[in-house]
Amino acid sequence: GAGVSQTPSNKVTEKGKYVELRCDPISGHTALYWYRQSLGQGPEFLIYFQGTGAADDSGLPNDRFFAVRPEGSVSTLKIQRTERGDSAVYLCASSLEGSANYGYTFGSGTRLTVV
Amino acid sequence: GQQVMQIPQYQHVQEGEDFTTYCNSSTTLSNIQWYKQRPGGHPVFLIQLVKSGEVKKQKRLTFQFGEAKKNSSLHITATQTTDVGTYFCAGPNDYKLSFGAGTTVTVRA
Repeated sequence: GAGVSQTPSNKVTEKGKYVELRCDPISGHTALYWYRQSLGQGPEFLIYFQGTGAADDSGLPNDRFFAVRPEGSVSTLKIQRTERGDSAVYLCASSLEGSANYGYTFGSGTRLTVV
Repeated sequence: GQQVMQIPQYQHVQEGEDFTTYCNSSTTLSNIQWYKQRPGGHPVFLIQLVKSGEVKKQKRLTFQFGEAKKNSSLHITATQTTDVGTYFCAGPNDYKLSFGAGTTVTVRA
């Protein structure tokens, strides 16, 4: 597609529930990143995919968070047993390649609210 | 690990005035990138600097990469209301970017 698409744009869920956030990157971009942004903060790295594999998942806060990119395109971020502290905007970005030498194109984000 | 710090955190500017925001890294960077996030929006890539001492201009915005490649600055001349938003710098950390906390710019008409 022309840009990075994220769905849903907003998600309200109850504490303890499971959520899935979807990211459709720019066609041909091999690198895909998930970041989390809290109010007044910069994007915080969660996980990086190069192709189908998670090349770096060091930013995932705990084992409730998991992400996949089975065909090297669309990615899904999965959060189990959500907690109120998980509330944030989850940003997906893609890049031509994963060297951090190319600019990122971000999606519009998914605003997750855990009540 | 590598950290990127930005100052000031907030910049309140009178329309028409100039200002500068600064970015400092704890390590030498291969490149520095700048992004702009409008209120309610997402970060949008502005520019990348690669060479030591490099200066690039985009209309009223001037970006500079320090000689030691550990700091960068963004200077905006004749600030306009369209400049409102948060400006982030970001530097490579392994194969991903580490972002600063940003400088949030508000403009008084």
